[in-house]
Amino acid sequence: GAGVSQSPSNKVTEKGKDVELRCDPISGHTALYWYRQSLGQGLEFLIYFQGNSAPDKSGLPSDRFSAERTGGSVSTLTIQRTQQEDSAVYLCASSLLTRNNEQFFGPGTRLTVL
Amino acid sequence: GNSVTQMEGPVTLSEEAFLTINCTYTATGYPSLFWYVQYPGEGLQLLLKATKADDKGSNKGFEATYRKETTSFHLEKGSVQVSDSAVYFCALLNTGGFKTIFGAGTRLFVKA
Repeated sequence: GAGVSQSPSNKVTEKGKDVELRCDPISGHTALYWYRQSLGQGLEFLIYFQGNSAPDKSGLPSDRFSAERTGGSVSTLTIQRTQQEDSAVYLCASSLLTRNNEQFFGPGTRLTVL
Repeated sequence: GNSVTQMEGPVTLSEEAFLTINCTYTATGYPSLFWYVQYPGEGLQLLLKATKADDKGSNKGFEATYRKETTSFHLEKGSVQVSDSAVYFCALLNTGGFKTIFGAGTRLFVKA
């Protein structure tokens, strides 16, 4: 398909383990975003990549969270030493850098930390 | 700073009822405004948008008008259906910016 894909769709892990979440943006989209959606909450911005520029990491909640984007395409969000409060749906979105910047979202990865 | 405030849910309506979900914003400059919808088990998708004052965005029977004087972008639909049950997010993108600011979302339940 031509949409944003994310994997895995569900991840259950034990507290203290590291996890990696993957996002494949729409081909040609130069901007990529990660958000966190906790139960009953809105979208919490985590990090933004645009082309080859330094990412905007202003939303990362702690230094246990990191993300990279290789070759301007696929992105991986890594959470180290997971905690129960990390349980949430992690959403990825991509966009073209047009004036109105419509974002296209993936289906998300539901992370459960036991 | 920029922010979006939308009415708390959940909103529960009967089929064919009129829907309004309020959204107000705070922004410098002249933002673009959006409504995104998240159906159960799916990712967010753009529902409609408006890029300047007095513009009306519309899609699937939903409408929202960009009101600069009241800094609002309320979502309306004249007759809701069960299939409209979803979470609705109001959002803004400031001029020249790339980070969209989302509201907390409003969950809508439509009963048959």
